[in-house]
Amino acid sequence: EAGVTQFPSHSVIEKGQTVTLRCDPISGHDNLYWYRRVMGKEIKFLLHFVKESKQDESGMPNNRFLAERTGGTYSTLKVQPAELEDSGVYFCASSRIYLDTQYFGPGTRLTVL
Amino acid sequence: AQKITQTQPGMFVQEKEAVTLDCTYDTSDQSYGLFWYKQPSSGEMIFLIYQGSYDEQNATEGRYSLNFQKARKSANLVISASQLGDSAMYFCAMREGGGTSYGKLTFGQGTILTVHP
Repeated sequence: EAGVTQFPSHSVIEKGQTVTLRCDPISGHDNLYWYRRVMGKEIKFLLHFVKESKQDESGMPNNRFLAERTGGTYSTLKVQPAELEDSGVYFCASSRIYLDTQYFGPGTRLTVL
Repeated sequence: AQKITQTQPGMFVQEKEAVTLDCTYDTSDQSYGLFWYKQPSSGEMIFLIYQGSYDEQNATEGRYSLNFQKARKSANLVISASQLGDSAMYFCAMREGGGTSYGKLTFGQGTILTVHP
């Protein structure tokens, strides 16, 4: 069974540019979560999808962040325009039901210059 | 609000010895779950072990065990017979059982474990 995959593994962009991160969850996992770890801080929850619906987006920092999950499969997280403080590692995780263990992808390291 | 505290920024252990990584939590919920994840230098987050708040037995998974002390609100990870490959960052995390959280995890700051040969 393939694990959670994320693309790209690393992205370097300039302030003001747009970046789109992609996450492919484990097949059959309806629940998909995005988290972020900013340098030196804890890993923080961003949002949660159940299939294609946003269940909880209370952790999204501001309206520069837009997440989608087309057809309940893969998800994208777009940052537009990117700011310096958006730099960090963005993790995606998935679970079959929300009370199950979440399995994480390898993360995308975003660097905004 | 939930909170997870890992008070050890870094820990050192000799190969083949046991080590305990501390984690305390704060929640008013009766139903919750506690997790430990390992993050090696390659960056991926690897699930290690889970303990439910109603589980009476401490969870074990191979060389990993979770010392769950509910009254003290602690969920320490014990790694027995440390190996060089155990060198990594370790995160403790908590999930509320229900309500509106729908499974989102709250993480501690992490502990960097270094295993010496």
